[in-house]
Amino acid sequence: GQNIDQPTEMTATEGAIVQINCTYQTSGFNGLFWYQQHAGEAPTFLSYNVLDGLEEKGRFSSFLSRSKGYSYLLLKELQMKDSASYLCAVRSTRNDYKLSFGAGTTVTVRA
Amino acid sequence: DGGITQSPKYLFRKEGQNVTLSCEQNLNHDAMYWYRQDPGQGLRLIYYSQIVNDFQKGDIAEGYSVSREKKESFPLTVTSAQKNPTAFYLCASWDRGFGNQPQHFGDGTRLSIL
Repeated sequence: GQNIDQPTEMTATEGAIVQINCTYQTSGFNGLFWYQQHAGEAPTFLSYNVLDGLEEKGRFSSFLSRSKGYSYLLLKELQMKDSASYLCAVRSTRNDYKLSFGAGTTVTVRA
Repeated sequence: DGGITQSPKYLFRKEGQNVTLSCEQNLNHDAMYWYRQDPGQGLRLIYYSQIVNDFQKGDIAEGYSVSREKKESFPLTVTSAQKNPTAFYLCASWDRGFGNQPQHFGDGTRLSIL
């Protein structure tokens, strides 16, 4: 089976940096996705990692360590609009066509 | 613009009633998915389809049914056997799950019991 863990909630101040961790135990691994979801809306794609290392996209960066079953999403220069839930999702095998999602981390940005 | 359309946005079900949620995509994606999301929880897979006229059960298929008669369409029926249907339902599509292409989501249908 798949087991994906994320912290439930995090709070940070506008302009600060927040790191959201995701640990996974899956039968095989072929990619990890991060999504942002505002309340009552659809998830939107943020980043993808399949090889070890850091992927940077503007204010958002994502890191992967396959040997540790670990990823994090780094949000820099936090803005109020970044208040949302962040979902970690793992694709377990290349031909499986399925994603397994973590429960999500709710980030609240305070002024 | 290509995308996924879910309808209706809000749906109410009476006891003993079956209801059908619509999902249409014009992204030309082969794979389509239905997820259920409960408050404070992640997405749980109900059913998915990799190709027309074929579909597989996900983790929580009991009380639900689907069909895939056309590539563009993947409707979900919530049957009366689903005793706790109140949730946010999300439809997604995927370009054969290859590479770094993400799943694309519709805007969701919120189902409640009357």
